[in-house]
Amino acid sequence: EIVMTQSPATLSLSPGERATLSCRASQSVSSNLAWYQQKPGQAPRLLIHRSSNRATGIPARFSGSGSGTEFTLTISSLQSEDFAVYFCQQYNNWPLTFGGGTKVEIK
Amino acid sequence: EVQLLESGGGLEQPGGSLRLSCAASGFTFRNFAMAWVRQAPGKGLEWVSAITGSADTTYYADSVKGRFSISRDNSKNTLSLQMDSLRADDTAVYYCTKGNIGYYFDYWGQGILVTVSS
Repeated sequence: EIVMTQSPATLSLSPGERATLSCRASQSVSSNLAWYQQKPGQAPRLLIHRSSNRATGIPARFSGSGSGTEFTLTISSLQSEDFAVYFCQQYNNWPLTFGGGTKVEIK
Repeated sequence: EVQLLESGGGLEQPGGSLRLSCAASGFTFRNFAMAWVRQAPGKGLEWVSAITGSADTTYYADSVKGRFSISRDNSKNTLSLQMDSLRADDTAVYYCTKGNIGYYFDYWGQGILVTVSS
């Protein structure tokens, strides 16, 4: 099983600041990585697939990069609605696995 | 508009069974893989099971293999998850998800709570 490790667990930032979230795979997942955003009491929402492709309707301030074992989700300028938990997921191998999440909170 | 609506959750005793259903609309159901993802209270996301569009192949997490069974009815646009031999650690919100190329999940239902407790 591929283990996905996200860091940091919590990121405390102010609106307007840049957020950089990391996701590391225990073995290569090529570019088969997705990012999701989850707000309290809501289902997750797809942000990014294939490492860097924004999903339909996702603002351009969200960007993804990386391949192999190291991936990054960047939010260029945090808006109030971006404070949430973010999960990465690999879909290169079975079983599909998620990272433990990074909570982006208001500083 | 894609919609996924789960039903069938609730409280069940350890060792019991529940069947979850997901009614899908807004896309050509038979053309897409579907999956179940769960989230225990206060925890992260865990993939549970997936099924191809034609239902010819199914996949399971080790934690549910032999106890859960995924199926679909493409004539009714419905996805199901039969959960047997339930355990306390199966307690979670279960999400019905639409798969896309390579099994990332582009649409999620609102989730349904399954509680396993005596």
